[in-house]
Amino acid sequence: DAGVIQSPRHEVTEMGQEVTLRCKPISGHNSLFWYRQTMMRGLELLIYFNNNVPIDDSGMPEDRFSAKMPNASFSTLKIQPSEPRDSAVYFCASSLHGFSYNEQFFGPGTRLTVL
Amino acid sequence: SQQGEEDPQALSIQEGENATMNCSYKTSINNLQWYRQNSGRGLVHLILIRSNEREKHSGRLRVTLDTSKKSSSLLITASRAADTASYFCATDRYSSGGGADGLTFGKGTHLIIQP
Repeated sequence: DAGVIQSPRHEVTEMGQEVTLRCKPISGHNSLFWYRQTMMRGLELLIYFNNNVPIDDSGMPEDRFSAKMPNASFSTLKIQPSEPRDSAVYFCASSLHGFSYNEQFFGPGTRLTVL
Repeated sequence: SQQGEEDPQALSIQEGENATMNCSYKTSINNLQWYRQNSGRGLVHLILIRSNEREKHSGRLRVTLDTSKKSSSLLITASRAADTASYFCATDRYSSGGGADGLTFGKGTHLIIQP
């Protein structure tokens, strides 16, 4: 299996631009998670989906952030408009959940720089 | 609020020595996991310990969990240069529906193994 795939790996954009990050989870996994990592705040959970349904988006910082999972093999995280403080590494992770089992497999991340 | 807090923030030891990292958390948990992150890479799952377990082993790794103190420790025995990385503990909450839950990470311990 190729593991969790994220694209792009690096993104540099200017303030005010729309940014779309993409994720393909491991085939057969039914949960998908978006995290953000910064030096100041560490790793933060933004949102997660179970069976393509958003379960908890309380970590999404502002209305500028939105996430979708139109099918079991694809998810997007969109920032519109982007701001310099959004600069971070964004990770997607997936898992195959059963009762009380939650090992997550992480993608390589997208390093976002907003100028 | 930050759930997991690792201690120490940084640790430098000689190759062959044992490395111990600690993690404390604040609320009730379902599972506690340890992940490793090499510089510029995604996180890799190391070991999971359930809330009703006290100790678990995997190769050179030993994890303990004390739910009364809300703390866990990760011991890496006979360290190698390749163990140089950041180590994070992560907790999830019990989900009554049995579904997956997003993880809450600590800020990590940066481990350096001196050859």
